[in-house]
Amino acid sequence: GQQLNQSPQSMFIQEGEDVSMNCTSSSIFNTWLWYKQDPGEGPVLLIALYKAGELTSNGRLTAQFGITRKDSFLNISASIPSDVGIYFCAGQSSTQGGSEKLVFGKGTKLTVNP
Amino acid sequence: GAGVSQSPSNKVTEKGKDVELRCDPISGHTALYWYRQSLGQGLEFLIYFQGNSAPDKSGLPSDRFSAERTGGSVSTLTIQRTQQEDSAVYLCASSLSGGAAETQYFGPGTRLLVL
Repeated sequence: GQQLNQSPQSMFIQEGEDVSMNCTSSSIFNTWLWYKQDPGEGPVLLIALYKAGELTSNGRLTAQFGITRKDSFLNISASIPSDVGIYFCAGQSSTQGGSEKLVFGKGTKLTVNP
Repeated sequence: GAGVSQSPSNKVTEKGKDVELRCDPISGHTALYWYRQSLGQGLEFLIYFQGNSAPDKSGLPSDRFSAERTGGSVSTLTIQRTQQEDSAVYLCASSLSGGAAETQYFGPGTRLLVL
């Protein structure tokens, strides 16, 4: 089945540092998404990427959809304590019955030391 | 409510018992998804509903798992004869019409522990 390889698994950084995480896949996806999950909550969408090569920013977040449509990265600049959480990449493609189900990476756990 | 809600938020059950998990999607959303998140893992797709129909059940791990949706709104995920490996967080998401590039909004999940 489809799998996403997300790295790193965890990161420990100082407040103010920049962060980078990435995902690769053996399959092509039409859409790449980055979600953040806080403890006890469901994932919340941060950035969505729809075109190969697309570079999109959302405040301090920047993400890119790889040219091959098999990879994506997420950068967070000038990290702050509230950036703490688990970040997931997800790929989306139309499948059985028109399902736009998401395939998720295993997550990157981010810890920010003040 | 404004978002996706799920109940119960936590459920502890004994091995072999049946459990029902409920999802209330965002009002007006026709597409509904169930995912499972095991400890330290990403989310795994279970089933997709469009209205009351489930055209994609490919993620259900065994015939002990079933789900239904009524009135194009509330969905119930049922796990029969629970096993310890069923322990996980079960997340529900909804989107407006299930189209490509639509945002899936997640509920807070139900944390299931099978003893």
